[in-house]
Amino acid sequence: GDSVTQMEGPVTLSEEAFLTINCTYTATGYPSLFWYVQYPGEGLQLLLKATKADDKGSNKGFEATYRKETTSFHLEKGSVQVSDSAVYFCALSGTYGNKLVFGAGTILRVKS
Amino acid sequence: EAGVTQFPSHSVIEKGQTVTLRCDPISGHDNLYWYRRVMGKEIKFLLHFVKESKQDESGMPNNRFLAERTGGTYSTLKVQPAELEDSGVYFCASSQARTSGGEQYFGPGTRLTVT
Repeated sequence: GDSVTQMEGPVTLSEEAFLTINCTYTATGYPSLFWYVQYPGEGLQLLLKATKADDKGSNKGFEATYRKETTSFHLEKGSVQVSDSAVYFCALSGTYGNKLVFGAGTILRVKS
Repeated sequence: EAGVTQFPSHSVIEKGQTVTLRCDPISGHDNLYWYRRVMGKEIKFLLHFVKESKQDESGMPNNRFLAERTGGTYSTLKVQPAELEDSGVYFCASSQARTSGGEQYFGPGTRLTVT
């Protein structure tokens, strides 16, 4: 079945550092790909998405490109802030259904 | 516009007891989903309603779990009897879109602890 693998955390960075969180997927057909973020004490929020190969999703300085050839959707940000500290989840939605398949989540801690 | 709400935010029960979780989706969203995250692992799909009908319940772990969505508005998820392995965070999400690229809006979750 469909699955998502993302790098284990926690990831600890200093403010203004470059961030990469790796995400790879296994799916049949042409899934849509998502990054969700959960800030402390809150629910999951959609951060960005891409619905077809080579699409780039972007939001709040975060970017991820849908790479079908490497089945990847890595999350990047050029300069992280303390307020970016959260849990980040990579997810996919398969071709034939709406349900989301999530990775295990990556804790990001940014220190000032 | 109010977001997805869930009640309670936290529930602690003993093994063998019954617990009912409630989810109120965003008004007008026909699609409602339940997910569960157990002990820092991945968030797993439980089931999907379209209005009051169960579209996909392939993720329900066993018959101790019963989900309902009477009238196509709010939904309840009942666990009876609860077991230790049921502990985790239960998320509800809703959406308008029926295609795979549509955004799902999540509630804050209910943290269930079974002792």
